Amino acid sequence: SQQGEEDPQALSIQEGENATMNCSYKTSINNLQWYRQNSGRGLVHLILIRSNEREKHSGRLRVTLDTSKKSSSLLITASRAADTASYFCATGGEFQGAQKLVFGQGTRLTINP
Amino acid sequence: SAVISQKPSRDICQRGTSLTIQCQVDSQVTMMFWYRQQPGQSLTLIATANQGSEATYESGFVIDKFPISRPNLTFSTLTVSNMSPEDSSIYLCSVNRAPNEKLFFGSGTQLSVL
Repeated sequence: SQQGEEDPQALSIQEGENATMNCSYKTSINNLQWYRQNSGRGLVHLILIRSNEREKHSGRLRVTLDTSKKSSSLLITASRAADTASYFCATGGEFQGAQKLVFGQGTRLTINP
Repeated sequence: SAVISQKPSRDICQRGTSLTIQCQVDSQVTMMFWYRQQPGQSLTLIATANQGSEATYESGFVIDKFPISRPNLTFSTLTVSNMSPEDSSIYLCSVNRAPNEKLFFGSGTQLSVL
């Protein structure tokens, strides 16, 4: 079964507003990563936060990690139409005896002009 | 970083046939990963391909259905065999530079089986 659960499944906001997506997971992890996918094509890595980090920034992106609650959030500030995409969290750790990344279900983000 | 060329980008195939997807990386990597993304779903790891050894398949995926080749450190193929409409998905190859570090993805292969 998937490790990550994301909410909301879909989010629609106006351009310029902030978008927040959440990810929860079940087991201990080494790191948590966020990816973007445009139009069902290849994924692009956005940001990686390690288990001993609590917050990380990259441009308009802010990621938080709460290992006690086994959850993470991705905040996109001042959204743009080009941010319209699906966003996936992926947890890195040992699952079923091997180091692997396990992807969440994703959030479909739509930015309305 | 890593630049990955994946082809074909899309194909429409008949039931019972097979399709081989190619993945070329611009530099040597130890492991390559093949994912499936069913319509509207997340990514599911099919197998991990190591150069010079048998691929490691995840639960629910078998070598007879998804044979993988890894002849060198920059190239891999995934074959979807004896296809059925249920195999209609996006197939993605990816690589990383170290275990659990960020993945670089190819542009994906959109497969439709009639």
